[in-house]
Amino acid sequence: DAGVIQSPRHEVTEMGQEVTLRCKPISGHDYLFWYRQTMMRGLELLIYFNNNVPIDDSGMPEDRFSAKMPNASFSTLKIQPSEPRDSAVYFCASSLLGQGNEQFFGPGTRLTVL
Amino acid sequence: KNEVEQSPQNLTAQEGEFITINCSYSVGISALHWLQQHPGGGIVSLFMLSSGKKKHGRLIATINIQEKHSSLHITASHPRDSAVYICAVFNNNDMRFGAGTRLTVKP
Repeated sequence: DAGVIQSPRHEVTEMGQEVTLRCKPISGHDYLFWYRQTMMRGLELLIYFNNNVPIDDSGMPEDRFSAKMPNASFSTLKIQPSEPRDSAVYFCASSLLGQGNEQFFGPGTRLTVL
Repeated sequence: KNEVEQSPQNLTAQEGEFITINCSYSVGISALHWLQQHPGGGIVSLFMLSSGKKKHGRLIATINIQEKHSSLHITASHPRDSAVYICAVFNNNDMRFGAGTRLTVKP
């Protein structure tokens, strides 16, 4: 298995633009997590899905952020409009049977909003 | 006060030394996770614990639920162990992360 795949690996955009980050989980995993990592706040859980259904989005910072999982092999995290404070590394991870089980992380997307 | 506290924040060791990284938390948890973040940024899951002790190679993780404390030990440390080690706790639908411990192992 190729592991968790994220794209793009790097994204540079201007304030106000829409940004879409993509994630393909490991085949057969039923949980998918989106995290954000910044120097100031460290790692934060944004949202997670179980069987494509969002379970907890309390970590999503504001309405500018949205996440979808249209099928078991694909998820997106969208920021519209983007702001400089959204600059961070965004990780996607997947696991089998729950957040208390081992998670497999993607390589991350480094987002820079100018 | 953070709900998850790690110590030390930074740790430098000589190759071969025994290393301990600590994680204390203030909330009830269902499980605790130790992560390793390499200098290139990639994150690897090391252990998931809900009780007792787990061992994988030179790494050992323990948890004391009553004392709300976990430790990660590295025996016979090696420069390739240099990374940031992050503790994460799970409670229902929530996750909280420690700030990480930056480990540098010198040859």
